[in-house]
Amino acid sequence: QKEVEQNSGPLSVPEGAIASLNCTYSDRGSQSFFWYRQYSGKSPELIMFIYSNGDKEDGRFTAQLNKASQYVSLLIRDSQPSDSATYLCAVSAKDYKLSFGAGTTVTVRA
Amino acid sequence: GAVVSQHPSWVICKSGTSVKIECRSLDFQATTMFWYRQFPKQSLMLMATSNEGSKATYEQGVEKDKFLINHASLTLSTLTVTSAHPEDSSFYICSARVPRGQGETQYFGPGTRLLVL
Repeated sequence: QKEVEQNSGPLSVPEGAIASLNCTYSDRGSQSFFWYRQYSGKSPELIMFIYSNGDKEDGRFTAQLNKASQYVSLLIRDSQPSDSATYLCAVSAKDYKLSFGAGTTVTVRA
Repeated sequence: GAVVSQHPSWVICKSGTSVKIECRSLDFQATTMFWYRQFPKQSLMLMATSNEGSKATYEQGVEKDKFLINHASLTLSTLTVTSAHPEDSSFYICSARVPRGQGETQYFGPGTRLLVL
């Protein structure tokens, strides 16, 4: 059973600040790592995926992966009110099945 | 990103009826699709893996005779909730796996809300 743990929320940040989200996983065979954003009542939307150790940047989002520590994080720079949502960390292994964390709810204060 | 559609977006039905939900990949071929269920304030729970041309693989605790999955083509998978009961009311979401040549990701459909009265 793959387990994915996310830092407990909710996380409240002022507009323009950096939001930092953390995730750990238990299966060392995990190969692919994803961050999804889910607005209330909607389905998840893919924000970032990362496969290799290190940083990956896409616009205001940066994902960081450390396989040795079994840790993946997401930074949201210059947070906007539209970033207010629940962020889901997901991990998959060779079977391509996604295991999700419980999610961290982020609120960006205007 | 790749586009996945679901139909219908909302279903209200009486207890004991069957409901079919369609999941389509619109601009790519999906050899593998996944079906999830999400209850309020909970994370997504994988129900089954749908492979084109073969039987679906169900997760532990998911009744395969109740949740019938058919993946008849590379762009369509269907989930049929048979003899639905109020406890089956949930948000059902499909995803499609994008093959490795385009990056190893899963894109989600918009979801189907099922309410069983």
